[in-house]
Amino acid sequence: GQNIDQPTEMTATEGAIVQINCTYQTSGFNGLFWYQQHAGEAPTFLSYNVLDGLEEKGRFSSFLSRSKGYSYLLLKELQMKDSASYLCAVMDSNYQLIWGAGTKLIIKP
Amino acid sequence: DAMVIQNPRYQVTQFGKPVTLSCSQTLNHNVMYWYQQKSSQAPKLLFHYYDKDFNNEADTPDNFQSRRPNTSFCFLDIRSPGLGDAAMYLCATSRERTGGDEQFFGPGTRLTVL
Repeated sequence: GQNIDQPTEMTATEGAIVQINCTYQTSGFNGLFWYQQHAGEAPTFLSYNVLDGLEEKGRFSSFLSRSKGYSYLLLKELQMKDSASYLCAVMDSNYQLIWGAGTKLIIKP
Repeated sequence: DAMVIQNPRYQVTQFGKPVTLSCSQTLNHNVMYWYQQKSSQAPKLLFHYYDKDFNNEADTPDNFQSRRPNTSFCFLDIRSPGLGDAAMYLCATSRERTGGDEQFFGPGTRLTVL
């Protein structure tokens, strides 16, 4: 079966750096997405990786290793507004998104 | 601004009373999706349309139906809501169904079943 694993919850301090990991097993691979979802709101797109390596976008970076079935989202200079759930989703060989359950990130002052 | 709009934002219905949720988009995207999301769970894909081609996920209950009368609008009908159908329903769109085509989400409709 297809599976996306990410930690259920993480806690970090304002101003610090946090890394949210995602491992996946899917039928084929057409890219990996990270979305941010604030409580009670819709997911919003953060990043897309299809080739190995690091993609940087401001305070957020996303890394992919296809051989290891592994990605991480790196958040720098954490702000209180970064408190949200972060969802990892992989596009499989049928171009269907397989979603993880999300990692709830709690930022403390 | 181009966007995905869902109405209503909050819907309360009674057990067994049909309900319709609506979604519209100004992005002119070919693909529209309906997801169900329960608290602390991954979004679960119910249906998607590529243009007018309807695709039903294998495990979507028959209780759920969908219509896409034109490019801009899509509806989710729940014929006989049960308590287990209480959830957030998310509509999303994408330009195409290929790698790299991110999905754009509406704000969601939170359904309560009494």
